[in-house]
Amino acid sequence: QQQVKQSPQSLIVQKGGISIINCAYENTAFDYFPWYQQFPGKGPALLIAIRPDVSEKKEGRFTISFNKSAKQFSLHIMDSQPGDSATYFCAAKSRGSGGSNYKLTFGKGTLLTVNP
Amino acid sequence: DGGITQSPKYLFRKEGQNVTLSCEQNLNHDAMYWYRQDPGQGLRLIYYSQIVNDFQKGDIAEGYSVSREKKESFPLTVTSAQKNPTAFYLCASSPGGTGGNYGYTFGSGTRLTVV
Repeated sequence: QQQVKQSPQSLIVQKGGISIINCAYENTAFDYFPWYQQFPGKGPALLIAIRPDVSEKKEGRFTISFNKSAKQFSLHIMDSQPGDSATYFCAAKSRGSGGSNYKLTFGKGTLLTVNP
Repeated sequence: DGGITQSPKYLFRKEGQNVTLSCEQNLNHDAMYWYRQDPGQGLRLIYYSQIVNDFQKGDIAEGYSVSREKKESFPLTVTSAQKNPTAFYLCASSPGGTGGNYGYTFGSGTRLTVV
C-alpha cells in the first residue's frame, strides 16, 4: 500500500533548466509535506517542507507547490546545477494521534541527473 | 556539533548470524526511527520509538529487533530470521511531541551485506 506516489522515477535535466518532481497522496489526514535530498552513500537531508494551509513555499532555487484539492504537491528546482544531482524523496506526516504523529511516509524517490 | 552517528559504515554478515547496528544521537530528540533503503523501494520503516523503553513496529519489522534503554541510543539487531538483509540502513531522529517541528535528522547509514 503506497500512500505517497512519486514521479518520475528518474529525471535528466540540462544545467540551467527546471527540474520538476511530483507527488500525490490519498490520505487527507496528512498535514506536513517535506522533501529530502540524498547524495550517494549519505543519509537524506531535509530540503524544504510545506503545510497544507499554504499553496507555495520558496527557499532559494527550491519551491514546493501544493494543491490541496488535487492532493498533489511538487518540487521545482530552478536553474538546476550539476551539484543538484541526487535522489529526492517526498514525504508526508499524518496528524493522527499517538504513534502516527511521528511517522513520515516516503515516496519511492526520484534520481535527478543534471548534465553540465 | 549535534547529529546522529551510525556505525559501522559497512558491515558484513554471514548466513545465520545476528548483527547489531548502532545509532547514537546528541540532539536531545525524543523520537528515533530505523529505515531500510533498497534500490527503487524508497525508505521503508522498520521500527520507531517515541520515548525511552517504548518502541513500535513499522511496516517491515519481521526479522529485526530494537531496544531503547537510553534517549540517545536506538540499536537495531538484524536477526537470522531476516531472509534478505542486504540493504542500506538509515537511522533518524526527530524532536517528537506537538511542537510543530517534524523534520527528521538522518544518520549517514550502514550498508549491510550478507556474505
